[in-house]
Amino acid sequence: QSALTQPASVSGSPGQSITISCTGTSRDIGAYNYVAWYQQHPGKVPKLMIFDVSNRPSGVSPRFSGSKSGYTASLTISGLQAEDEADYYCSSYTSTSTLVVFGGGTKLTVL
Amino acid sequence: EVQLVESGGGLVQPGGSLRLSCAASGFIFSGSDMNWVRQSPGKGLEWISFIDENADKKYYADSVKGRFTISRDNTKNSLYLQMNNLGAEDTAIYYCGRGPAGWQEHWGQGTLVTVSS
Repeated sequence: QSALTQPASVSGSPGQSITISCTGTSRDIGAYNYVAWYQQHPGKVPKLMIFDVSNRPSGVSPRFSGSKSGYTASLTISGLQAEDEADYYCSSYTSTSTLVVFGGGTKLTVL
Repeated sequence: EVQLVESGGGLVQPGGSLRLSCAASGFIFSGSDMNWVRQSPGKGLEWISFIDENADKKYYADSVKGRFTISRDNTKNSLYLQMNNLGAEDTAIYYCGRGPAGWQEHWGQGTLVTVSS
């Protein structure tokens, strides 16, 4: 069982917006503004999409945005495109003895 | 162009050891924090270790603490992961990643470690 909780799957139609949630505790998401999101296409290497809750690395589309409220972080993808279909993982620093924890991943299907 | 190339994976028996390497190029390796992250077949990502640019700070996930050792050689632009007492649960693709522990912007292609008799 992963330390951070994500929905197993979400779906949306092209052009729509979707939000993927990532729920933690007071020891991780609630304690730090160090949430990251990764996109992983099948058989490919993870790609950083968001870091430090809401920052986008250079080259990442502005259609991707991140936020946090309390113990829950969110990744929003607007204007869904077929190429967005992938697995998405969140991560956070944690005050436990394991420095960083990941969510279990969310499979995004573009209908 | 940033490049990270892992090597050293393979088939190992339970209780055995392996040493993974990650060759870095295209950036100032000696000024970069580095990590190892793994992914079991068909499963999610798991952060397992971090080392800062000077090797002063090293952190490990509970699942590998006491068995794995992270190290680096800045003169060779290389990152290492010594893995001892391996078990079936360590079977995974191992990625090296450049960045602070909280996020990795650049990843290698990964090297597969299979623990089986």
